[in-house]
Amino acid sequence: NAGVTQTPKFQVLKTGQSMTLQCAQDMNHNSMYWYRQDPGMGLRLIYYSASEGTTDKGEVPNGYNVSRLNKREFSLRLESAAPSQTSVYFCASGRQSNQPQHFGDGTRLSIL
Amino acid sequence: ELKVEQNPLFLSMQEGKNYTIYCNYSTTSDRLYWYRQDPGKSLESLFVLLSNGAVKQEGRLMASLDTKARLSTLHITAAVHDLSATYFCAAFIEGAQKLVFGQGTRLTINP
Repeated sequence: NAGVTQTPKFQVLKTGQSMTLQCAQDMNHNSMYWYRQDPGMGLRLIYYSASEGTTDKGEVPNGYNVSRLNKREFSLRLESAAPSQTSVYFCASGRQSNQPQHFGDGTRLSIL
Repeated sequence: ELKVEQNPLFLSMQEGKNYTIYCNYSTTSDRLYWYRQDPGKSLESLFVLLSNGAVKQEGRLMASLDTKARLSTLHITAAVHDLSATYFCAAFIEGAQKLVFGQGTRLTINP
């Protein structure tokens, strides 16, 4: 049982490049989330999808876009990467939005 | 806007000692989560606290929730090295259907 799978695990980009982070879950969860984790700041919500077909902004959405492709997949796109977006990105899913979230292993993204 | 603050942010303690991590949140939330994160790893769900007065225990960890004080605690009893990790609390925003995380408490337990 894979749970929440994120790809890639590591990535280095140059400023201005674009990239899509992929996330898939096999637990039939309705809700999916993207967070970024920076030292001393905990996890901050970028975007979330409470159910298939819906997406909403979180705390720090600027510079990102998301797509809830189907119930299993929720992708995060950086259209023009900036050094301030260097971070560890976590995808998570939950059966409902008020249920415990299950996290992927993270994507470590560096932007030079 | 809901803000979640943990105290302390860093904690170094000896094996066998007891200690408590505090999690305060700024507005109404009746659902509080605790997660553990090992270095370079993902987050693991520890406890879900659903109502005022809720108490959950797993091994040497015990979590409680006081919704009137807007406070949750994670108590560590007779700490062992394996509990070294970063612990996060997160409060649920009912209307917005999302979690807000605290900054995390980095716990180091020394032999």
